[in-house]
Amino acid sequence: EIVLTQSPATLSLSPGERATLSCRASQSINNFLAWFQQKPGQAPRLLIYDTSSRATGIPARFSGSGSGTDFTLTISSLEPEDFALYYCQQRSNWPRTFGQGTKVEIK
Amino acid sequence: QVTLRESGPALVKPTQTLTLTCTFSGFSLTTGGMSVSWIRQPPGKALEWLALIDWNDDKHYITSLKTRLTISKDTSKNQVVLTMTNMDPVDTATYYCARTYYWNDDYWGQGILVTVSS
Repeated sequence: EIVLTQSPATLSLSPGERATLSCRASQSINNFLAWFQQKPGQAPRLLIYDTSSRATGIPARFSGSGSGTDFTLTISSLEPEDFALYYCQQRSNWPRTFGQGTKVEIK
Repeated sequence: QVTLRESGPALVKPTQTLTLTCTFSGFSLTTGGMSVSWIRQPPGKALEWLALIDWNDDKHYITSLKTRLTISKDTSKNQVVLTMTNMDPVDTATYYCARTYYWNDDYWGQGILVTVSS
């Protein structure tokens, strides 16, 4: 089973700042990595799939990059609605696995 | 418009079997590339992927729970059912179903909180 390790656990930033979230896989997952955003009391929302493709309706301030085992989600300029939990997920191998999440909180 | 809705009991007793139904609209599980997944989230904890069934009726399960889980589909009713046997308090979680289109979980249901308690 592939283990995904997200860092940091918590990111404290101000609106307008740049957020950089990391996800590291225990083995190569090619580019089969997705990012989800989750707000309290809501279901997760797909942001990015296959490392860098934005899902439908996702603003351009969200971008993904990486390859092999190291991946990054970047939010170029934080909007108030971006403060939330973020999870990465791999679809390279069965079973699918998620990271433990990164909380982006207001500083 | 794609929608998914989870239904089932809010409370189950330890050792009982949980049966959850995902009723969906806006897509068909007979379409190539289409699947439905189940994911759960214990209170305050991370997401945990559980199972997937695809348009070919292929099924995949989380390794740690494989002996307790069964996923099935009824394409005529647009439903996917997940059963989990021998429920334990550690299985208390919000259970989500999601449409998985070409292996990406792009639409999710609102989730159902299932509490395991005697």
